[in-house]
Amino acid sequence: NAGVTQTPKFRILKIGQSMTLQCAQDMNHNYMYWYRQDPGMGLKLIYYSVGAGITDKGEVPNGYNVSRSTTEDFPLRLELAAPSQTSVYFCASRTDRVSEKLLFGSGTQLSVL
Amino acid sequence: AQKITQTQPGMFVQEKEAVTLDCTYDTSDPSYGLFWYKQPSSGEMIFLIYQGSYDQQNATEGRYSLNFQKARKSANLVISASQLGDSAMYFCAMRVVISGGYNKLIFGAGTRLAVHP
Repeated sequence: NAGVTQTPKFRILKIGQSMTLQCAQDMNHNYMYWYRQDPGMGLKLIYYSVGAGITDKGEVPNGYNVSRSTTEDFPLRLELAAPSQTSVYFCASRTDRVSEKLLFGSGTQLSVL
Repeated sequence: AQKITQTQPGMFVQEKEAVTLDCTYDTSDPSYGLFWYKQPSSGEMIFLIYQGSYDQQNATEGRYSLNFQKARKSANLVISASQLGDSAMYFCAMRVVISGGYNKLIFGAGTRLAVHP
């Protein structure tokens, strides 16, 4: 089925550990985004990409890195996890059309203890 | 600064009644888009409705309509004939242009809607 696939769904990390959140879409979308949602809050943009090889920072990029080697994949890397990174992470994608809605993945719930 | 404001942290409505969720925005760009998303307790983000800044008519999608008042910079979501399944968190979002002509969505803090039988 076409859509945005995120893995894992849940993860618990210890402080200082690293991990990669995976995101893949099979709709040939150029735009891809990573958002985080803290409890009871809206979504904040971490990083975005407008195509393979092109990425840029969003509002809250500190502590994260991304890469976009293919159109399909947009992994988010957490280095040296901190409790402040406990959040739900959403990956999203869309076409280039300005009116096009974002399609979201199902989210990754991450706890850093 | 570009910003989305949702001033109602929580709302409740009786089943079958209509409810309006408020959203105001701030941007100096003449071209922008406004979106509403629903997030049920299961956590996924579900697109509801879109309004472009140049659209002359208010957007409608089934029981959802967007009351777009450009001069007041408001984009309120109206849900008619509320159903129990409408209980969820609702987010207003705005597409804004960023460097290089690309764009992104910024989100409000959300409004939690509870529909009572």
